[in-house]
Amino acid sequence: DSGVTQTPKHLITATGQRVTLRCSPRSGDLSVYWYQQSLDQGLQFLIQYYNGEERAKGNILERFSAQQFPDLHSELNLSSLELGDSALYFCASSAASAGGRNEQFFGPGTRLTVL
Amino acid sequence: ELKVEQNPLFLSMQEGKNYTIYCNYSTTSDRLYWYRQDPGKSLESLFVLLSNGAVKQEGRLMASLDTKARLSTLHITAAVHDLSATYFCAGDTGTASKLTFGTGTRLQVTL
Repeated sequence: DSGVTQTPKHLITATGQRVTLRCSPRSGDLSVYWYQQSLDQGLQFLIQYYNGEERAKGNILERFSAQQFPDLHSELNLSSLELGDSALYFCASSAASAGGRNEQFFGPGTRLTVL
Repeated sequence: ELKVEQNPLFLSMQEGKNYTIYCNYSTTSDRLYWYRQDPGKSLESLFVLLSNGAVKQEGRLMASLDTKARLSTLHITAAVHDLSATYFCAGDTGTASKLTFGTGTRLQVTL
């Protein structure tokens, strides 16, 4: 158990819908990262927040957005869902923004299925 | 932009044998990470390699880093079935803490 929690574990929804994935980082970690894992794209970085502020952006679609709240939990919002958005979405946390070991610890993931 | 390549993509090996997974990366990476993933599960951190010549060992797994060759290796000694999983290497740069992952190596250890 990494100490990172994600809810829900599974999500099944229809095309065009909107969903919210939630992540709580390890105690004391200020950085939260979101990754998408799919068969065709592999593991891809989406976005990072550090202490409430956006720090880095990857291949995140405009239909996707995220935020980190004052209690450091984060939410990833996916809207106008398409079949291709079906994937495993991981949240990870680390103590720092950059530098040092920057070891990232991953949550159990949310499996999103878009029908 | 950092690119990370792993090979082989799939590795079937017998219990008791040794093998090495290779991870090449395209530009300077300040840190190199190895993760393990069981089917449908999360990623478990195995090693963090911070400097040239770094070598880390845990049980039957040993990871090393050669920054001049831009190469990291994960060596498996006397494989056992419990090591069957997918292994990922990932790199990052000091200015951007996002991880860039390799394609993963699916390891299957057979009796």
